[in-house]
Amino acid sequence: AQTVTQSQPEMSVQEAETVTLSCTYDTSESDYYLFWYKQPPSRQMILVIRQEAYKQQNATENRFSVNFQKAAKSFSLKISDSQLGDAAMYFCAYRSPHSGKGQGGSEKLVFGKGTKLTVNP
Amino acid sequence: DGGITQSPKYLFRKEGQNVTLSCEQNLNHDAMYWYRQDPGQGLRLIYYSQIVNDFQKGDIAEGYSVSREKKESFPLTVTSAQKNPTAFYLCASSIDRWPGNTIYFGEGSWLTVV
Repeated sequence: AQTVTQSQPEMSVQEAETVTLSCTYDTSESDYYLFWYKQPPSRQMILVIRQEAYKQQNATENRFSVNFQKAAKSFSLKISDSQLGDAAMYFCAYRSPHSGKGQGGSEKLVFGKGTKLTVNP
Repeated sequence: DGGITQSPKYLFRKEGQNVTLSCEQNLNHDAMYWYRQDPGQGLRLIYYSQIVNDFQKGDIAEGYSVSREKKESFPLTVTSAQKNPTAFYLCASSIDRWPGNTIYFGEGSWLTVV
């Protein structure tokens, strides 16, 4: 089964600075999908960015970008020009392309335990 | 506005009671999911449904039940068999089962056993 590891339980950044959140994953599959979700204090999960493993180009969404290192199974999130509204829990997630009837299949996202990001004014 | 509506936001359950969490979506999505989140943890899949009248167990289905009688509705029942039900529950949906599709989440429901 796939696993996702976020090694930084908490991170902090000064407003307007840049911060990078780490994520590694374990899989034997060659094709898959990776996501970063943000969970603000409201607790709703919001998609930040996604990456298809078959694409070599790193995904970007405005101030958010990823560093996808497929060989190293690493998927870090970089937040540039950090804003107070970026403060939240950030979750890295993996999704398989193959159906597996619930166990390791495409039916679910496999989440890391999250990184709490604090933005200091 | 299109979205996923969960209710109630907060629910208290007495020991031995069954409770049902509602999830309604007006996004015309085929696939729907229930996740559980415990403090300091990521989300874990309870049940999912890819089409009306069909659903499958996820990783932690014991003590839970679901139904999918309508495309827009996917209620979750937490039964008395669930030994530790206090948690935050998130309903989600995606347009279909293709894994590259975005999974959208509702605002969640807090369940507390008293």
